[in-house]
Amino acid sequence: AQKVTQAQTEISVVEKEDVTLDCVYETRDTTYYLFWYKQPPSGELVFLIRRNSFDEQNEISGRYSWNFQKSTSSFNFTITASQVVDSAVYFCALSEAYNQGGKLIFGQGTELSVKP
Amino acid sequence: EAGVAQSPRYKIIEKRQSVAFWCNPISGHATLYWYQQILGQGPKLLIQFQNNGVVDDSQLPKDRFSAERLKGVDSTLKIQPAKLEDSAVYLCASSFELAETQYFGPGTRLLVL
Repeated sequence: AQKVTQAQTEISVVEKEDVTLDCVYETRDTTYYLFWYKQPPSGELVFLIRRNSFDEQNEISGRYSWNFQKSTSSFNFTITASQVVDSAVYFCALSEAYNQGGKLIFGQGTELSVKP
Repeated sequence: EAGVAQSPRYKIIEKRQSVAFWCNPISGHATLYWYQQILGQGPKLLIQFQNNGVVDDSQLPKDRFSAERLKGVDSTLKIQPAKLEDSAVYLCASSFELAETQYFGPGTRLLVL
């Protein structure tokens, strides 16, 4: 069965600190996709990244970086030099493309609070 | 490019009443999803359409929920009759094709009293 676990329910940091959000997933498929979405207080889910199971290269986009490790079934997300605007709930999600038609299985979310 | 549109943004109803939500996906997106997000949880898929056909409705409570996408573009999700536990945010998402990246609308916040 597919499952996504975000063990950190809430994280609070001070502006300019680095912060890592953890994501662990379970799947029996060899072909799958992993995602991160941001949900600010307005409620809309904002797409951040999509990574397929065959691409284990880490990715950096500005202050954001992602570490994908198949050996530990983890897809962690790091924000460098956090800012108040980063305050939001962040969701990790899994999609088993061929078996499930692409539906997303979400984790419980991690609420990040960045204080000035 | 316009994003996914949803209306209404907020709705308050009493239990046993009916309610309908509307979604207009990104132009050209064949796949449309409805998710339910209960407070403090991640979204859960209710139903998925590919054009005007249903791909997955295994998690849709069919005794009270229904959805349609008649012309393969707009979609409507209906709840009749509503229960207290239906209070949630209903999110619509679309993707160009199956298993492609999903883009979400602003959601409809439903409160059932």
